[in-house]
Amino acid sequence: SYVLTQPPSVSVAPGKTATITCGGNNIGSKNVHWYQQKPGQAPMLVIYYDSDRSSGIPERFSGSNSGNTATLTISRVEAGDEADYYCHVWDSGSEPWVFGGGTKLTVL
Amino acid sequence: EVQLLESGGGLVQPGGSLRLSCAASGFTFNSYSMNWVRQAPGKGLEWVSSISGSGDGTFYADSVKGRFTVSRDNSKNTLYLQMNSLRAEDTAKYYCAKDLNHGDYSPWGQGTLVTVSS
Repeated sequence: SYVLTQPPSVSVAPGKTATITCGGNNIGSKNVHWYQQKPGQAPMLVIYYDSDRSSGIPERFSGSNSGNTATLTISRVEAGDEADYYCHVWDSGSEPWVFGGGTKLTVL
Repeated sequence: EVQLLESGGGLVQPGGSLRLSCAASGFTFNSYSMNWVRQAPGKGLEWVSSISGSGDGTFYADSVKGRFTVSRDNSKNTLYLQMNSLRAEDTAKYYCAKDLNHGDYSPWGQGTLVTVSS
């Protein structure tokens, strides 16, 4: 089945830019969705179809996808952005839907 | 407002069965595919199953294929997950999620906890 690889953790100072990657074979040919999950809460869609922001998501959140890497970028990071982030794609293999392992964003 | 409310979780012995429900409101239920995603304690998200709006298309993760059955009752706006032959590794919080188009899940319910233990 298709594998998505995310770094387990990313740390960033407030006001700086956080970059969370999601690696997969030719992921640039797929549509990537990103979810944010804060402790004790259900996941929430933040970016869909590579770069579209979900309703209510600040412009500080952006996405891109090319080659073997999709990227979630959070500009001017705030303490409230601290959460786990997951990428999600559809694949034509035996398991059509795949999540990345998740990245814990820590705001220093 | 779109709402999803899961129920049916609990403690079950290995080999046992459980049926989860997800009551939906605030949207035209039969127009959307629905999904089950689980999260083991302290772990990441794992896609479990999807079902088309009409119910005639169903999909499963390899880890649950042959043991779990997804269904829906569009007259009751409710999604189900029948879980049989449960194993310890099925222990997780189970979320239902509405599929906006194709894999963009929003919103998610708050989840229901399933614990498989003797």
